[in-house]
Amino acid sequence: NAGVTQTPKFQVLKTGQSMTLQCAQDMNHNSMYWYRQDPGMGLRLIYYSASEGTTDKGEVPNGYNVSRLNKREFSLRLESAAPSQTSVYFCASHVFGGQTGSPLHFGNGTRLTVT
Amino acid sequence: AQKITQTQPGMFVQEKEAVTLDCTYDTSDPSYGLFWYKQPSSGEMIFLIYQGSYDQQNATEGRYSLNFQKARKSANLVISASQLGDSAMYFCAMKGGGADGLTFGKGTHLIIQP
Repeated sequence: NAGVTQTPKFQVLKTGQSMTLQCAQDMNHNSMYWYRQDPGMGLRLIYYSASEGTTDKGEVPNGYNVSRLNKREFSLRLESAAPSQTSVYFCASHVFGGQTGSPLHFGNGTRLTVT
Repeated sequence: AQKITQTQPGMFVQEKEAVTLDCTYDTSDPSYGLFWYKQPSSGEMIFLIYQGSYDQQNATEGRYSLNFQKARKSANLVISASQLGDSAMYFCAMKGGGADGLTFGKGTHLIIQP
């Protein structure tokens, strides 16, 4: 029972390089999310996808793009990485975005360092 | 807009003592949910407990309980009989009726001392 799977677990980039973080869930959830976690800041929402075929900006979308490839997969792309994007990135899924009563399920995170 | 405030950046507690982690929230949604997550040093996010805004009773899950005071907009997490394995970051979070996920507080770093 994998839940939410993120790849890679660790990544080091040079400033200006690009990369894509992959996320897949096997719980048949409709909604998926990308968060970043920085020390002392909690988790902040980058982008989300309420359902297959839709994406929306969260609190901190600048410098990122996303693709909801299908119901299972939601990727996050950094086109030109900057040191300010050094962070831990979490993907999460939810059974249905409008429902308040069930938790988000998180992947184990990707630790990204941009030098 | 929703906001979660956790005023305790760090706490030291003796093993076996009870712990209260503070959380206050602000929202204009009439229907919302409040969540607590634990993040151990290994980094994963572990769901602990949920309280709905219309729930009449405080939520409990094993050693975890949520002290929900709606008029004061607070949702404090209580851990009874703390254990060394409870040492972790703890995040309070809120979800409204939209699809835009959880709004998180900045977290409390709890350290249980033997």
